[in-house]
Amino acid sequence: AQSVTQLDSQVPVFEEAPVELRCNYSSSVSVYLFWYVQYPNQGLQLLLKYLSGSTLVKGINGFEAEFNKSQTSFHLRKPSVHISDTAEYFCAVGPRQAGTALIFGKGTTLSVSS
Amino acid sequence: GAVVSQHPSRVICKSGTSVKIECRSLDFQATTMFWYRQFPKQSLMLMATSNEGSKATYEQGVEKDKFLINHASLTLSTLTVTSAHPEDSSFYICSAHDRGGGYTFGSGTRLTVV
Repeated sequence: AQSVTQLDSQVPVFEEAPVELRCNYSSSVSVYLFWYVQYPNQGLQLLLKYLSGSTLVKGINGFEAEFNKSQTSFHLRKPSVHISDTAEYFCAVGPRQAGTALIFGKGTTLSVSS
Repeated sequence: GAVVSQHPSRVICKSGTSVKIECRSLDFQATTMFWYRQFPKQSLMLMATSNEGSKATYEQGVEKDKFLINHASLTLSTLTVTSAHPEDSSFYICSAHDRGGGYTFGSGTRLTVV
């Protein structure tokens, strides 16, 4: 079975500051890792994903994440945030097996203020 | 990129009636689709896995007679909430495996039962 722990439920930051949203996972099998963003009353938009290869993954909107197998982490980072980055962010894990659903963390609310 | 279309985006229904939510993969075939439920300020909880041409697999605690899932074609899965009650009010989101090894999500349906 897989599980995902997002270590911070809320992260308040000022505009143009760097941010890191932390995610740890647990799994007995190899997994794919994802970060999604959700704006109010909307579905999920994929920010980035790690399937294989380079452990540093670059996504949309200037976000990146690093897969660390030894620490079972997949933290999301952005060097300079904007007001428009205010949203809910979800880390998710999916086993490398067709037909299997993603398991989500509880989410982190990123609040960017001026 | 892969697109999953979900309709309706919002629906208000009277207690005791049934509501159908559709989820279509527009430019790819989705053998498997997933249905999630999201309560306010909470994460996505997997309800069921929908497989084309066969019965859905429900997660523990999800009433299969209340949440009817049909996956009649490779591009369409439906979730019907039968005899809806106010406690069924929630945000429902579908998802499908896409061609790139990831998961594409619909835009969600906000169900309000009055």
